[in-house]
Amino acid sequence: AQSVTQPDIHITVSEGASLELRCNYSYGATPYLFWYVQSPGQGLQLLLKYFSGDTLVQGIKGFEAEFKRSQSSFNLRKPSVHWSDAAEYFCAVGAIHTGGFKTIFGAGTRLFVKA
Amino acid sequence: NAGVTQTPKFQVLKTGQSMTLQCAQDMNHNSMYWYRQDPGMGLRLIYYSASEGTTDKGEVPNGYNVSRLNKREFSLRLESAAPSQTSVYFCASSDWGRETQYFGPGTRLLVL
Repeated sequence: AQSVTQPDIHITVSEGASLELRCNYSYGATPYLFWYVQSPGQGLQLLLKYFSGDTLVQGIKGFEAEFKRSQSSFNLRKPSVHWSDAAEYFCAVGAIHTGGFKTIFGAGTRLFVKA
Repeated sequence: NAGVTQTPKFQVLKTGQSMTLQCAQDMNHNSMYWYRQDPGMGLRLIYYSASEGTTDKGEVPNGYNVSRLNKREFSLRLESAAPSQTSVYFCASSDWGRETQYFGPGTRLLVL
């Protein structure tokens, strides 16, 4: 069965500092991996996704993530955080099942940015 | 394009009341989903519809029913609301179920 773990419930970083949000997944085959961001009171928006190919993927807003099969990880990074990045971030793993495609979301990591 | 729209934005119910949450998408997507979001638990799939005319249970279907009215619309019904159904409900859609999911703004439901 698919599962996703985001070990950090919340993280605080200073504006301009680098950021890494951790994500570990469990799935037997190569999964479809996603990072979504949710601003307060809003729905989720896709940051980036990995299906195959280059294991370092670039997303919107300057984010990137690296797929490491040996570690079952898909960590999200940003070299310099802006105050507007404060939000909740969700890692997700998708897979094809009988009847369709299902996506399982992690519990989320809330990012706080301090001036 | 409006994307994914949900109505209502906010609702208060008493225990035992019923209501239907509406969702519509204008992106011609085949697949639609209903999730609930609770603090510390991320999003959990309630029901999904891989294509028009089909629906399937997700992770937490108990107490809910769905209708895929047509390709655009996917509604979620609570027949007899319970306080445990207090949550934020998100509808999403995707093309053929393999790609990015596009989310609506959510419905905040409070059951007293």
